Amino acid sequence: DAGVIQSPRHEVTEMGQEVTLRCKPISGHNSLFWYRQTMMRGLELLIYFNNNVPIDDSGMPEDRFSAKMPNASFSTLKIQPSEPRDSAVYFCASTWGGDQPQHFGDGTRLSIL
Amino acid sequence: SQKIEQNSEALNIQEGKTATLTCNYTNYSPAYLQWYRQDPGRGPVFLLLIRENEKEKRKERLKVTFDTTLKQSLFHITASQPADSATYLCALERDTGRRALTFGSGTRLQVQP
Repeated sequence: DAGVIQSPRHEVTEMGQEVTLRCKPISGHNSLFWYRQTMMRGLELLIYFNNNVPIDDSGMPEDRFSAKMPNASFSTLKIQPSEPRDSAVYFCASTWGGDQPQHFGDGTRLSIL
Repeated sequence: SQKIEQNSEALNIQEGKTATLTCNYTNYSPAYLQWYRQDPGRGPVFLLLIRENEKEKRKERLKVTFDTTLKQSLFHITASQPADSATYLCALERDTGRRALTFGSGTRLQVQP
């Protein structure tokens, strides 16, 4: 099993640029989550999908953030325009649902200059 | 508002001793609680789940307790090893019946040889 795959692993870009983070969940999982981790705020849930439908996006910080899940095997998190305070590690996780464990990717370390 | 507290101070112990990590929560009535391990540069990895009707759960050298009256979970690692050094996160069901989790900030454990 390949696990949750995120790309890119690292992204450095200048303020104002569009950033797109990608995630491939584990095959057969029907829930997908996007998290952001910083030293100050820890691991925060941004949005999650169930059967490709966004269920709760209350954690998305601003309209500059958007997420899509066009099919069961792919999701994107987009930031446009990016700002230095968006610098963080972004994780994607997937699960079968219910109380089942979440399986995390190794994250994208994003630096906005 | 819902709040999860873990010791922000690192826990340093000697190899062979038992490590005990604490997770306290307020304004929650979670049906279950999960513990994850996170190594530097990696995503969290699921360790154990305990449900509200379970007082204790064990897996090899790991033991978790869940006291819904005290609103507290304790995570024990017996016969600790340097390889157990990592950050340990507790996570609670975000809303009853939902699949999302809210994570604590984590406790860093350092096991000295």
